[in-house]
Amino acid sequence: KQEVTQIPAALSVPEGENLVLNCSFTDSAIYNLQWFRQDPGKGLTSLLLIQSSQREQTSGRLNASLDKSSGRSTLYIAASQPGDSATYLCAVRMNNAGNMLTFGGGTRLMVKP
Amino acid sequence: NAGVTQTPKFQVLKTGQSMTLQCAQDMNHNSMYWYRQDPGMGLRLIYYSASEGTTDKGEVPNGYNVSRLNKREFSLRLESAAPSQTSVYFCASSEQPTSTGELFFGEGSRLTVL
Repeated sequence: KQEVTQIPAALSVPEGENLVLNCSFTDSAIYNLQWFRQDPGKGLTSLLLIQSSQREQTSGRLNASLDKSSGRSTLYIAASQPGDSATYLCAVRMNNAGNMLTFGGGTRLMVKP
Repeated sequence: NAGVTQTPKFQVLKTGQSMTLQCAQDMNHNSMYWYRQDPGMGLRLIYYSASEGTTDKGEVPNGYNVSRLNKREFSLRLESAAPSQTSVYFCASSEQPTSTGELFFGEGSRLTVL
């Protein structure tokens, strides 16, 4: 059974710092990996999706990387801002699991002004 | 562009009552999903519908039923609510898995069962 872990569970940084959020998964036979942002009391917003054949994806100040062999993905946030404060979740879709995604527990990020 | 719309946003039920959560998407997606989110448990898939006319169980289907009414709408029904079903419920949709498979979520429905 696929297990997805995100460490740390919570992170607090001063504004302007570059930071890395980690996501690890136990089964490397993934179809893709998706990073989401969730604001308090809100739904999930898709940030980046990396297909299994890709190494990284970039969107603005966000860069997500994927290393299937080691079962890891990172989300890099450059020049963090207070508006980046949210919970960040990663989710993996398996090759043989139809439409089922397995989610990590999330990293709660606070960026202090 | 509304995306994925869920109703109601909040609901309080008594044990044993029934209710239906409604979900509609306007992105012409084939696949739709219902997840629940609980503290310390993350997001877990309840049911999904790969395409109109099909539904399948996810990780935690017990106590729930679903209906894929048409391509746009996917409802989740609690026939006899239990306190263990207190949770935040999210509907999501995506294109076929053979495409990018990117998932889009609704805002959530917060359910409390007393």
